[in-house]
Amino acid sequence: DTGVSQDPRHKITKRGQNVTFRCDPISEHNRLYWYRQTLGQGPEFLTYFQNEAQLEKSRLLSDRFSAERPKGSFSTLEIQRTEQGDSAMYLCASSLVQGADNEQFFGPGTRLTVL
Amino acid sequence: ELKVEQNPLFLSMQEGKNYTIYCNYSTTSDRLYWYRQDPGKSLESLFVLLSNGAVKQEGRLMASLDTKARLSTLHITAAVHDLSATYFCAVGRDRGSTLGRLYFGRGTQLTVWP
Repeated sequence: DTGVSQDPRHKITKRGQNVTFRCDPISEHNRLYWYRQTLGQGPEFLTYFQNEAQLEKSRLLSDRFSAERPKGSFSTLEIQRTEQGDSAMYLCASSLVQGADNEQFFGPGTRLTVL
Repeated sequence: ELKVEQNPLFLSMQEGKNYTIYCNYSTTSDRLYWYRQDPGKSLESLFVLLSNGAVKQEGRLMASLDTKARLSTLHITAAVHDLSATYFCAVGRDRGSTLGRLYFGRGTQLTVWP
């Protein structure tokens, strides 16, 4: 399978714990995005990388959130001191910036439940 | 900030009928994407529309873009049960500090019944 992969697919944690999610993009894609989706809503942008550089962060991304893409390949999203409001589906997407397309392909998501 | 509005949010239609989903957005953009999401699943790319007047069709779905009106439509022809899903439109921008991110609508939850 050469699509975007995410791990874990589900995570249940207690409030106050730290969690880390991983995303592996499509291999030749140079852009990687993180979005968050809550029930009944469309995905909301969190941050994105071009290669290893983090180019934009949303105001939704509080200080408790940090994302990395150290070698320009996979990325991690860490949430520190989780809160119940962090419960959501965290989606990763990747794209190849070439021409006018920039179509983003999404992974299966990591569903986070904070108890 | 760019706003994307879809309507209707919920659509229940009988098999064989036609209907249109509308997507309006607030600021000039020349990139419009349609995605499908099944319950508990991720997003599947359906269409990419990059210019005014663009029209794309795949099976029973046809998408169009009017950049002057800031409007995209997703038309469903002769609906079948397999089309039941949530459909999202998303808008991208190519200039300024928001380069790269997509702005999504709330989605249209489509249910097709026999």
